[in-house]
Amino acid sequence: NAGVTQTPKFQVLKTGQSMTLQCAQDMNHEYMSWYRQDPGMGLRLIHYSVGAGITDQGEVPNGYNVSRSTTEDFPLRLLSAAPSQTSVYFCASSYSISSDTQYFGPGTRLTVL
Amino acid sequence: KQEVTQIPAALSVPEGENLVLNCSFTDSAIYNLQWFRQDPGKGLTSLLLIQSSQREQTSGRLNASLDKSSGRSTLYIAASQPGDSATYLCAVISGSARQLTFGSGTQLTVLP
Repeated sequence: NAGVTQTPKFQVLKTGQSMTLQCAQDMNHEYMSWYRQDPGMGLRLIHYSVGAGITDQGEVPNGYNVSRSTTEDFPLRLLSAAPSQTSVYFCASSYSISSDTQYFGPGTRLTVL
Repeated sequence: KQEVTQIPAALSVPEGENLVLNCSFTDSAIYNLQWFRQDPGKGLTSLLLIQSSQREQTSGRLNASLDKSSGRSTLYIAASQPGDSATYLCAVISGSARQLTFGSGTQLTVLP
């Protein structure tokens, strides 16, 4: 198993540009989520999904969109990038949310100029 | 709103020492608690998962305990090694949305 994969590893955007961060898992996990990690703020939940076709907002959803058309993929879209979205983004998955280990991807380091 | 606090923020110990990392949470109605390790520039690796009905979990030199009623967990690392140097994060699942809430982490340095 490849586990949780994320692309790209690094990305630089200009303010106002849009992009999609990719996340995929090959463990047949129902639950997938996106976090951002900022110095002094810890990891904060952006959006999550409990299965294909079902998504919901986390703690910091503004400026981000998600969709879940398949079990394997959970892309995160930045609609109009802002410098405040400069961060490291992590995707995670688990078989279920309340009882299972969360598996994290290697992260995408995003800089918005 | 669930809040998770980890103390200390940083810790430096000589190789071979036993050490304890602390985690506290404000809402004791949790589903589970997880300890993660994060190396610089890397993702998170799960170390131990404790269900709300359990008191402790062990894996090798690591032992995690959970006292749900007092809102506390500890991660005990025996016979520390330089390879244990990393940031250790505590996280709990709680709330109707079953969201994972993280602490800010303890940065551990084990000196050879």
